[in-house]
Order: sequence, then structure tokens, then C-alpha cells
Amino acid sequence: GQNIDQPTEMTATEGAIVQINCTYQTSGFNGLFWYQQHAGEAPTFLSYNVLDGLEEKGRFSSFLSRSKGYSYLLLKELQMKDSASYLCAVRDHGGSYIPTFGRGTSLIVHP
Amino acid sequence: KAGVTQTPRYLIKTRGQQVTLSCSPISGHRSVSWYQQTPGQGLQFLFEYFSETQRNKGNFPGRFSGRQFSNSRSEMNVSTLELGDSALYLCASSPEGGYTEAFFGQGTRLTVV
Repeated sequence: GQNIDQPTEMTATEGAIVQINCTYQTSGFNGLFWYQQHAGEAPTFLSYNVLDGLEEKGRFSSFLSRSKGYSYLLLKELQMKDSASYLCAVRDHGGSYIPTFGRGTSLIVHP
Repeated sequence: KAGVTQTPRYLIKTRGQQVTLSCSPISGHRSVSWYQQTPGQGLQFLFEYFSETQRNKGNFPGRFSGRQFSNSRSEMNVSTLELGDSALYLCASSPEGGYTEAFFGQGTRLTVV
């Protein structure tokens, strides 16, 4: 199984940059996902990392270090609409394709 | 292309009753997974169905069950409802079982009173 840890809540200012960290412990790493979930809505896929390094996709980037069991989601040029919960999920080699989700980080963006 | 559709969106049930929730995946997707989301526990995996077979199962009691039909639509059933079953139940579909990316439905908000 996995143990996934991410901060419960973060606040940031519109236009700024915020980094949401995720640490994990797993017996056999096989991919890490980031999802965004607005209140009352479905989670939506943001990124998938399976190799070390940075994946950039517009204002959002995701970084992975497998040796450190660490990932972060970087959000640039924050907008009010980025206020949401950000879920980190880790998949391992344990025979299941299904990732385990962290409890999510609630990001509040204020003017 | 239509997204993942879950029905009903909201449901209120009494302790001891049973409930059935429905999920229609994106056309062509054969894998359907179910999750329970609560403020305290986050998103917890219930089970996954692929080609009408349960392929993976989370750590939930036997009161939680599911099935998948030949058109990939899936249902989950909870029997003998408890207050603690109040949660948002989310369904996710993916094209194949590899689960590179899952697409979630809006969920069914179940309240047990």
C-alpha cells in the first residue's frame, strides 16, 4: 500500500506562484497523478508523472523525484478560478492499476 | 463526446435501507471505478470493473457491492445503510485497464439519516 501526505490547506495571492507538495511511501512506484477538484464538482485530471523530472503544461507543472518519494504541483500566474482542492494520487506495482489518493490540498486564492 | 454520467445526483436514505447508484462511462471506456469521498478520509477506492468483471477491490465491507453490464454501464449497491455511509460517491472511467487517466463523473451525494 501507499502512504501519501500533502498539506491540508494553502493560501496564495492572485498572480503569484504556489507549490503544492506531495510525499509518498510505496513498495513499488508506478506513477503519480495530480487532479483538481472544485467544490461540488468532479475531479479533473491535471498531470501524470512516472519518470523523474518536470512536466509542464501551460500554467501548471508537475515534478517528480522517485528516489525522494516526492512530487510537487506548481501553479503559476494564479487566478481566482484556481481555488480548488488538489489531489495527489500514487499507483504502485502491487497488481492493481488503481492509484491511492491523498486527502487533497485545499488552495484558496485571494485578490 | 459525452462525459461520465452518474445518477441520481442527490439521494437521502434512512438507516437500514439499501441504495443503488448508477454510472454510465464515456463511450468506448471499459474500465469503471467507484470511490467514496468524505471530508475526513478523502477519496477512497471501492472497486473497479473491467469488461463486466470485478478486477480490483478496496477495503470496504461486503455491504458495498457492484456490477457492470455488457454496455460498460455500472451500478453500485449499498445494503443496510449506516450513518457513516453518507458521502459523495464518484465513478471514474478509463479507456483500458491501464488507468493512465481517469475521467470522473459529478458524483452522487448520499445522505443517510
